[in-house]
Amino acid sequence: GAVVSQHPSRVICKSGTSVKIECRSLDFQATTMFWYRQFPKKSLMLMATSNEGSKATYEQGVEKDKFLINHASLTLSTLTVTSAHPEDSSFYICSARDSGRLPGGDTQYFGPGTRLTVL
Amino acid sequence: GESVGLHLPTLSVQEGDNSIINCAYSNSASDYFIWYKQESGKGPQFIIDIRSNMDKRQGQRVTVLLNKTVKHLSLQIAATQPGDSAVYFCAENTMNQGAQKLVFGQGTRLTINP
Repeated sequence: GAVVSQHPSRVICKSGTSVKIECRSLDFQATTMFWYRQFPKKSLMLMATSNEGSKATYEQGVEKDKFLINHASLTLSTLTVTSAHPEDSSFYICSARDSGRLPGGDTQYFGPGTRLTVL
Repeated sequence: GESVGLHLPTLSVQEGDNSIINCAYSNSASDYFIWYKQESGKGPQFIIDIRSNMDKRQGQRVTVLLNKTVKHLSLQIAATQPGDSAVYFCAENTMNQGAQKLVFGQGTRLTINP
């Protein structure tokens, strides 16, 4: 159980285009999902917290107009990188918190990541 | 501010030996800690977790120790295997402006030598 999928796993796009990444919780409901960014040989940095049915909460320094997040259902959150540039190239990872766990359950389950390359 | 860091960026051990990966955290109010394993090109994989009301928790071949006095966390892997080679991250569950989030350490690359 507790499987999180991401699509696509790898994407290459031209500078100036937009790219959408999907994150799905396959066997549980997730009121809250998270989007991280990871540069090579670096740690995960939280970009934003995605809340089902409400606006995402962005971390300081993350442009909300550039990284659009939509959490339309309890099993799906999307991240759209708008007007992508080469510096946006990175490994994007989502995670989901199981809403059905006992109170106090805080475990986040991570997706396999999406490798974005902007030419 | 909040930070979770690791003492060693790399660790090499012989296959079959035990390994210990250390982590320091700074937020004494954090109540939940997790160790993740990340293989190249993949997302983090949950290994083991521990709450702040415990000081030790054991899983299969892994043990997590929590020392709240010095704000230190460690992951012990027994009888390491080639498949244990990966980057290991500690993460600290903390509250920020009413929302819970994970703060990750910088990671330790564990290499198992045959």
